[in-house]
Amino acid sequence: AQKVTQAQTEISVVEKEDVTLDCVYETRDTTYYLFWYKQPPSGELVFLIRRNSFDEQNEISGRYSWNFQKSTSSFNFTITASQVVDSAVYFCALINNQGGKLIFGQGTELSVKP
Amino acid sequence: GAVVSQHPSWVICKSGTSVKIECRSLDFQATTMFWYRQFPKQSLMLMATSNEGSKATYEQGVEKDKFLINHASLTLSTLTVTSAHPEDSSFYICSASISGVQETQYFGPGTRLLVL
Repeated sequence: AQKVTQAQTEISVVEKEDVTLDCVYETRDTTYYLFWYKQPPSGELVFLIRRNSFDEQNEISGRYSWNFQKSTSSFNFTITASQVVDSAVYFCALINNQGGKLIFGQGTELSVKP
Repeated sequence: GAVVSQHPSWVICKSGTSVKIECRSLDFQATTMFWYRQFPKQSLMLMATSNEGSKATYEQGVEKDKFLINHASLTLSTLTVTSAHPEDSSFYICSASISGVQETQYFGPGTRLLVL
C-alpha cells in the first residue's frame, strides 16, 4: 500500500524565517514519482515540483529547495526567507509507474506572519 | 503553459437541481482528467478518472449515477452533480495530465458548490 504522511498539520513562522515542511512516504514500488503542490486560500493547487525515484539530487528553485532521501523515504521542502505570500496549504503526493492514483498527504498549513 | 480552467468558480443551487461543472485544459491536450472533492481542512479525495472517449472510472464509494462525468474531447471534461442535496456541498477540483495517469497533474481553480 502507498501512503504519504505530512506530520506537521500547521506551521506558523515570522517573515524571513526559513521553514521546512516534512514529507514521508511509503511504497513498495521501485519506480515512483513525488510531487509538491501549493494551495493558497483561493483554492487552486499550484504544481511546484515532480521528482522521480531514480533522481535523488536535491533541487533548488529560488527560495524553494527540496531534499529527497530514499534511505529515509523522505521528500522535504524548505522555504528560505519566507514571505507572507508563501502562506498556503502545501501537499506532498506520490504516484507509482503502473497508473495508480495520486496519493496525497494530509497537507501542512503554513502561516507566515509579517 | 499547462493551464486548466474550471467553470463556474462558485455555484449556489436549490436541493434537487442538477449542476454541471466544466474543466478545460487551455494550452494542452489532456489524455486523462481527474475529478476530486475536498472538504474544509482536508486533503483531496479522488472521485473519478476519465479518459477522452471512454467511460470514467469511479473510486469506491462514489455513485456514478450521482456524479456524471463526460470527457468529450481532449480539452474538456464535465462533472454533473445530479439531484444535488446539501451533503453534496463541497469544493470540487479537476486536474488534467498530458499523457497518462503517472504524469504531472495540473489542477484547475476549483468550484465551490453550495446546495441549499
